[in-house]
Amino acid sequence: QVQLQESGPGLVKPSQTLSLTCTVSGGSFSSGGYYWSWIRQQPGKGLEWIGYSYYSGSTYYNESLKSRVTMSIDTSNNFFSLRLSSVTAADTAVYYCARMGWRGIDWGQGTLVTVSS
Amino acid sequence: EIVLTQSPGTLSLSPGERATLSCRASQSVSGNYLAWYQQNPGQAPRLLIYGASNRATDIPDRFSGSGSGTDFTLTISRLEPEDFAVYYCQQYGTSPWTFGQGTKVEIK
Repeated sequence: QVQLQESGPGLVKPSQTLSLTCTVSGGSFSSGGYYWSWIRQQPGKGLEWIGYSYYSGSTYYNESLKSRVTMSIDTSNNFFSLRLSSVTAADTAVYYCARMGWRGIDWGQGTLVTVSS
Repeated sequence: EIVLTQSPGTLSLSPGERATLSCRASQSVSGNYLAWYQQNPGQAPRLLIYGASNRATDIPDRFSGSGSGTDFTLTISRLEPEDFAVYYCQQYGTSPWTFGQGTKVEIK
């Protein structure tokens, strides 16, 4: 049973870069068949894909966030990361890391990131 | 991208009643790769159904999914108190994957 755990600052100042890491246990990046993802949920809103990466290095970034997003995977140490630059209050959200496969999404518990000075 | 439209926005029902939630796609969902998730306040979504009609591990059989192409349905045969939550559909047949906007099932 795969487990995913987000970590990173809960408070980020406007214009700075949000950085989160997702540690994966019970699953392997190199086995293929899964997309390692970031999804966010703004307060009171629905679910929004930020992007996803395959172990081979291919990525997809949400068009609306593309210019500010970087995702990476460390297959040796079983974690993947998200960087979102130039944040504003609109980026305040619960950020979920997730594993997407043909049987749907396995979710991390989520971490609230607040953008405020 | 494929737009998923869920209806109704809110469903007001009593425990023991049957709930029928709809998810309509703007174009055919490849391979019927359509999933349903339940989300309770303050919690991460939980996978209920994948591949349109397959129950995920440990999901009670009162939850069932059906449909193909552009029209999909999640049915809860008899609502239990813990089923009052928000439900999302998601397609993962065509990149970019997308979510519906959610249906809230509330106690009448």
